Amino acid sequence: KNQVEQSPQSLIILEGKNCTLQCNYTVSPFSNLRWYKQDTGRGPVSLTIMTFSENTKSNGRYTATLDADTKQSSLHITASQLSDSASYICVVSEQWAAGNKLTFGGGTRVLVKP
Amino acid sequence: NAGVTQTPKFQVLKTGQSMTLQCAQDMNHEYMSWYRQDPGMGLRLIHYSVGAGITDQGEVPNGYNVSRSTTEDFPLRLLSAAPSQTSVYFCASSRDSKTQYFGPGTRLLVL
Repeated sequence: KNQVEQSPQSLIILEGKNCTLQCNYTVSPFSNLRWYKQDTGRGPVSLTIMTFSENTKSNGRYTATLDADTKQSSLHITASQLSDSASYICVVSEQWAAGNKLTFGGGTRVLVKP
Repeated sequence: NAGVTQTPKFQVLKTGQSMTLQCAQDMNHEYMSWYRQDPGMGLRLIHYSVGAGITDQGEVPNGYNVSRSTTEDFPLRLLSAAPSQTSVYFCASSRDSKTQYFGPGTRLLVL
């Protein structure tokens, strides 16, 4: 069964500090990996999307990495801000004939404190 | 563009009642999907559509029906609500099944 595991489940960091979130997956055949940010009470918003050939992709202070050989990805948040407090969801896409099938991780809840 | 809109934002139902969750998008996207999100779990796909007139089941379709008569609208129907359907429901759309745009969600409580 395809799975996406995220760690840690939650973390607390001080404003201005960096943090790294992890995502391990078993989805096959792999199509792409996405990171979403979900603010409380809102729908997820896409941060990055990476295909098999991409090792890293940045979106402002967010940098995602992908190691397709070990089936691992990370999301690094640089110089955290209070607005980074949210859940971060790793989503791996499996290639189907009719499109992509998505498997969602359970998310990492990040709390940034002043 | 309004993006993806969902109504209602909140709903309380009694067991056995039926209702329809509305979803609309104004981006002319072909792909639309319905997910439910439960505490501690990832989003799970209920039903999806790859275009008007075409729908298919996702991971957890039981107890839900969908239809796609237009490109813009993708309503989700609960036939006979059960407490296990208490959840937050998200509708999403995408042009090419890659980057998805999610609606704000509908919080449903079934008593």
